Amino acid sequence: DAGVIQSPRHEVTEMGQEVTLRCKPISGHNSLFWYRQTMMRGLELLIYFNNNVPIDDSGMPEDRFSAKMPNASFSTLKIQPSEPRDSAVYFCASKQGTYEQYFGPGTRLTVT
Amino acid sequence: GQSLEQPSEVTAVEGAIVQINCTYQTSGFYGLSWYQQHDGGAPTFLSYNALDGLEETGRFSSFLSRSDSYGYLLLQELQMKDSASYFCAVSPGSASKIIFGSGTRLSIRP
Repeated sequence: DAGVIQSPRHEVTEMGQEVTLRCKPISGHNSLFWYRQTMMRGLELLIYFNNNVPIDDSGMPEDRFSAKMPNASFSTLKIQPSEPRDSAVYFCASKQGTYEQYFGPGTRLTVT
Repeated sequence: GQSLEQPSEVTAVEGAIVQINCTYQTSGFYGLSWYQQHDGGAPTFLSYNALDGLEETGRFSSFLSRSDSYGYLLLQELQMKDSASYFCAVSPGSASKIIFGSGTRLSIRP
């Protein structure tokens, strides 16, 4: 079975540009999570969805960040405009029913 | 609010046993999870405790005391491949949302 798929794996962009990160959860999983990991702040939950509906977006840093889940097999995290402090590894994770979350390989974002 | 405390670094010898402690303060509590992350990799699930006591999975065990807001991860027969960061994580209000600790970097010496 394919795991959680994220694209791109690496993204380098200039400040002010729009960045879109993509995630395909494991088939059959009904919960999807977006995390951000930095050395300073650790692993932070940004937002999570149940059955494609956003449940908790309290971790989204500010209005520059937005996330969508148009269907059960796809989600996006968008940053517009991007800033250097957004540089981090962004992980998508999914789960079905149980407590165990399955993480994707992550997208390493660098904003210059 | 929520807070978790775990040691930032632990060093152990190959073949030995190591325990990584985690204390937490949360407004609600549903369970305590442990994840492993190798450098450059993604977190992977190790264990979950919702009730007091010890859960064993191979060389790894996890313990929870809800009354003490405390848990630990026990790694036995350490192998070099166990060198990684280990995160405790609490589910404060439901099984879905989890809040991660800052992680413990485990280094294994031959």
